[in-house]
Amino acid sequence: SAVISQKPSRDICQRGTSLTIQCQVDSQVTMMFWYRQQPGQSLTLIATANQGSEATYESGFVIDKFPISRPNLTFSTLTVSNMSPEDSSIYLCSFEENYGYTFGSGTRLTVV
Amino acid sequence: DQQVKQNSPSLSVQEGRISILNCDYTNSMFDYFLWYKKYPAEGPTFLISISSIKDKNEDGRFTVFLNKSAKHLSLHIVPSQPGDSAVYFCAARAYNFNKFYFGSGTKLNVKP
Repeated sequence: SAVISQKPSRDICQRGTSLTIQCQVDSQVTMMFWYRQQPGQSLTLIATANQGSEATYESGFVIDKFPISRPNLTFSTLTVSNMSPEDSSIYLCSFEENYGYTFGSGTRLTVV
Repeated sequence: DQQVKQNSPSLSVQEGRISILNCDYTNSMFDYFLWYKKYPAEGPTFLISISSIKDKNEDGRFTVFLNKSAKHLSLHIVPSQPGDSAVYFCAARAYNFNKFYFGSGTKLNVKP
């Protein structure tokens, strides 16, 4: 199955700044997904990213806060903008395979 | 409203014994279920799946049971090994929808 690489693995950021997370898949995939896992919580879908179209955001998530790019079928980025301590979470990218999702290794973000 | 719940945040089991991880869901439209395992500093990895046409699926030491009337599924690990120590997430999806809903996870500790 395809392999997904995500970076950075972790970062500590100042409030008010932005962080861009990158995901690279070693084969072409139609849809990529971005999840957030807040401490002690389940994985929550932020948005679905298709190549060549605007991402589809889930309720509670907006493009201004979490802009997503999908320039081709192997790559996507998620930006966490104007960060606050409430954005401290693990962010995960994924794509769908036959059985479900394959996940990247995650980005552990701490906002101070 | 959390549609998939894992009510036990942690479980401790002796090596060689059975581990039983539980998951409850509320949406009767869910018809496909997954279990993921997550080690620290890694993304979740797929473990086993079950569709609603079955009530049991087995893969080596891992068996998933589905009780549709009770909206309950469980993961059995027999025999448990220290390497099984990880956080286990269940996830569910309704037919023809991309979105999986995840539980909050159960941290399994298998003691040598």
